[in-house]
Amino acid sequence: EAGVAQSPRYKIIEKRQSVAFWCNPISGHATLYWYQQILGQGPKLLIQFQNNGVVDDSQLPKDRFSAERLKGVDSTLKIQPAKLEDSAVYLCASSFTGGSYNEQFFGPGTRLTVL
Amino acid sequence: QQQVKQSPQSLIVQKGGISIINCAYENTAFDYFPWYQQFPGKGPALLIAIRPDVSEKKEGRFTISFNKSAKQFSLHIMDSQPGDSATYFCAASSSNTGGFKTIFGAGTRLFVKA
Repeated sequence: EAGVAQSPRYKIIEKRQSVAFWCNPISGHATLYWYQQILGQGPKLLIQFQNNGVVDDSQLPKDRFSAERLKGVDSTLKIQPAKLEDSAVYLCASSFTGGSYNEQFFGPGTRLTVL
Repeated sequence: QQQVKQSPQSLIVQKGGISIINCAYENTAFDYFPWYQQFPGKGPALLIAIRPDVSEKKEGRFTISFNKSAKQFSLHIMDSQPGDSATYFCAASSSNTGGFKTIFGAGTRLFVKA
């Protein structure tokens, strides 16, 4: 079974530029998550999708971050404009359903450096 | 109230020793407590998880101990091996808030000396 795919793996941009990350979840997984992992910290949920609907985006900085999952499969996360504090690893995860007990499968992440 | 506090920040253990990582939470609505293991350059992967209706769960060399009254849980790695060297995250989630959110601890970097 193929895992969660993410691209690019690394990205370096200047502050105030824009950047987009792509995620393809495990086939058949209805729930997709984007997490931000700052160095030395645990992952923090940015947004959760159930199929193509948003379940939770309470911690997404909506003035600069946006995410979509148009066909209920793959997803993109965009930052515009980027700030220095956005430097982090952006992890995508998926699970079969959104229930509390469902295992989340993580992709390898995209390491973003904002200069 | 949504925090999960994890300690220690880092841990060095001799090969064959026991590694112990502790976590504490405040929100009694949490009903699922997974532990994730993360190697450098990889995403976290589920290691073992427990629900609050049991006090202990064991899978191979990994054991979760859960103390509901103290709102604490811990991961014990028996016979620690160099291959266990990784960052470990405890987490807590609740299905009672109209959807659910998984809150992660800050992580513990474990190094097992050969």
